[in-house]
This record gives sequence, structure tokens and C-alpha cells, in this order.
Amino acid sequence: DSGVTQTPKHLITATGQRVTLRCSPRSGDLSVYWYQQSLDQGLQFLIQYYNGEERAKGNILERFSAQQFPDLHSELNLSSLELGDSALYFCASSVGNSGNTGELFFGEGSRLTVL
Amino acid sequence: AQKITQTQPGMFVQEKEAVTLDCTYDTSDQSYGLFWYKQPSSGEMIFLIYQGSYDEQNATEGRYSLNFQKARKSANLVISASQLGDSAMYFCQVKTSYDKVIFGPGTSLSVIP
Repeated sequence: DSGVTQTPKHLITATGQRVTLRCSPRSGDLSVYWYQQSLDQGLQFLIQYYNGEERAKGNILERFSAQQFPDLHSELNLSSLELGDSALYFCASSVGNSGNTGELFFGEGSRLTVL
Repeated sequence: AQKITQTQPGMFVQEKEAVTLDCTYDTSDQSYGLFWYKQPSSGEMIFLIYQGSYDEQNATEGRYSLNFQKARKSANLVISASQLGDSAMYFCQVKTSYDKVIFGPGTSLSVIP
């Protein structure tokens, strides 16, 4: 158990819909990362938050948005869903202030299927 | 731009043999961390090993060791005595200042009985 909790684990929805994925980081971790992993693809970095502030942005579509709340949990909002958005969405956390040390702890992922 | 290359999309190794998974990286930062993660077919991401850019000795964690060649910007993962449970995707990661994290595309390892 990594200590990172993601909900829901599985989600099936239709095109055009909007979903919210939730992530609770490991206790004490200030950094949260979101990744998208499509079938047979690597980890596509979406966005990173540190202590409530956006720290880095990757290949995140305009239809997607995220935020980190004062209690450090984070939500990833995906709207106007398309078939190609079907993927495994990972949240990871790290201490965030340890320089280049400190591994990422991953949640089990939220598997999104868009029909 | 910072980038990680894993040149072996897929590899096979005989059980009990050693295998080396390649990773080269490109970063302008002088201080960085190198990490390897394993993703079995069940999907979870598992941290394996860490190497700091200023560490003089290669990192080791059980059957995992890291062949770190800083001048070549290479951080290859060596798995000794392969086991069937080692069959998985393996990702190389670089972490630089301000927690900037980059993952490589991954290598799929299959261990053959």
C-alpha cells in the first residue's frame, strides 16, 4: 500500500460527459502529480501541484483541469470526453521539498472508459 | 528540453539470468535524481531504486543495481537472477530541481522459464 488513494478505481461514461477523479496523497506529501497512461503507452505527464499551487504543466488538454485543495487532496476534471480519453489516470505524490531525492508514490490509478 | 530515452521497447531474458535495461537522459541540471519503477500487468507502479547525481557509488537494492555513468548520462538498471515475477514494464525517471519529473517510454521485460 503506497498510501496514495485514488477514487474511483473504474469509471465508464459516455462521450461528451464530464468526470472528476480524486486523489489523496500520502500523509505529509506536498507534491501531487497526475499522469495519463493509454493502452501500450508510457506515462504522459499532465500536471503537478505543490502545496496548493500549480508547479508544472505537461501535455494537459484544455478540456482537462486540476486543482489541489488546502487539505492537499487533488482533483482532476475531464470534460467533453472523447473516446481517446479512455486511459488509466495515475496520481502520485512525493514529499516535494527534498530536492532531487524522494521517490514518487503512486496510487492504483483510475481506469476511465469512454463509450 | 529534458528527455529520457529507453532504447529497448521489449526484452526477453531467461529465468535466473541477469539483464540490463538501458536508460539515457538529457538534462542541463547539475543536481538530479535517477529512479527506476516497475509496472506489472496488474498496473501498479512500484519504486525500485534511486541514484543521486552526486553519489559516487552505484546504487544497489537487493537484486537491483544501477550502472550509473554520469559523463555518458546513462543510468542502466541491472536485474540479477531474473525471476518470473520480474516480467513487467520498467520506467526510468529523472527528477531535477523544483521536483520536475520526467519518465522514459518504458521497456517491457519478459522472463522466460
